[in-house]
Amino acid sequence: GQNIDQPTEMTATEGAIVQINCTYQTSGFNGLFWYQQHAGEAPTFLSYNVLDGLEEKGRFSSFLSRSKGYSYLLLKELQMKDSASYLCAVSASGGYNKLIFGAGTRLAVHP
Amino acid sequence: EAEVAQSPRYKITEKSQAVAFWCDPISGHATLYWYRQILGQGPELLVQFQDESVVDDSQLPKDRFSAERLKGVDSTLKIQPAELGDSAMYLCASSLGTADTDTQYFGPGTRLTVL
Repeated sequence: GQNIDQPTEMTATEGAIVQINCTYQTSGFNGLFWYQQHAGEAPTFLSYNVLDGLEEKGRFSSFLSRSKGYSYLLLKELQMKDSASYLCAVSASGGYNKLIFGAGTRLAVHP
Repeated sequence: EAEVAQSPRYKITEKSQAVAFWCDPISGHATLYWYRQILGQGPELLVQFQDESVVDDSQLPKDRFSAERLKGVDSTLKIQPAELGDSAMYLCASSLGTADTDTQYFGPGTRLTVL
């Protein structure tokens, strides 16, 4: 079966660093996406990893280990506007770019 | 910046009624997706189109849901009859193609409430 696990909720302080983990078990693997979703809004694309290692993009970085079925999203210099849900999604084989989403991690940034 | 358009943004209906949602993908995007997102969960794919053809509708409840993309551009998702359990956010997304590296871009969604 397909299974993607993320923590349900996290809290962090403005200016700090937070790491959101994602573990997956899927039938095949063609890449992993991270999306940000503010309450009541559409998911917006943050990052894509298909090879092992760290991808850095400004304040956000994403890491992938295919052998461990593990990824994390690292957010640095947290701002209040980073309060949102963060969705981990895997592109599994056998589908036409079909994404399997985790339930999302709700991040609350406080002053 | 090009965006995926959806309407309506909000819809309240009574159970057993019919509802329809519309989506206009980013210009030039051949692939269109309809997702359902229940509060507190991640989006779940309902149906995927490549141009005007359905390539995946394995999770679409076909007894009550239907989707079409007649000219391979905009798309309509219909529910008839609506049930209480259909209350959710319905998201439309599009991508250039079906390659695994093709990013899916989401529209603002339609929030459906069934009373």
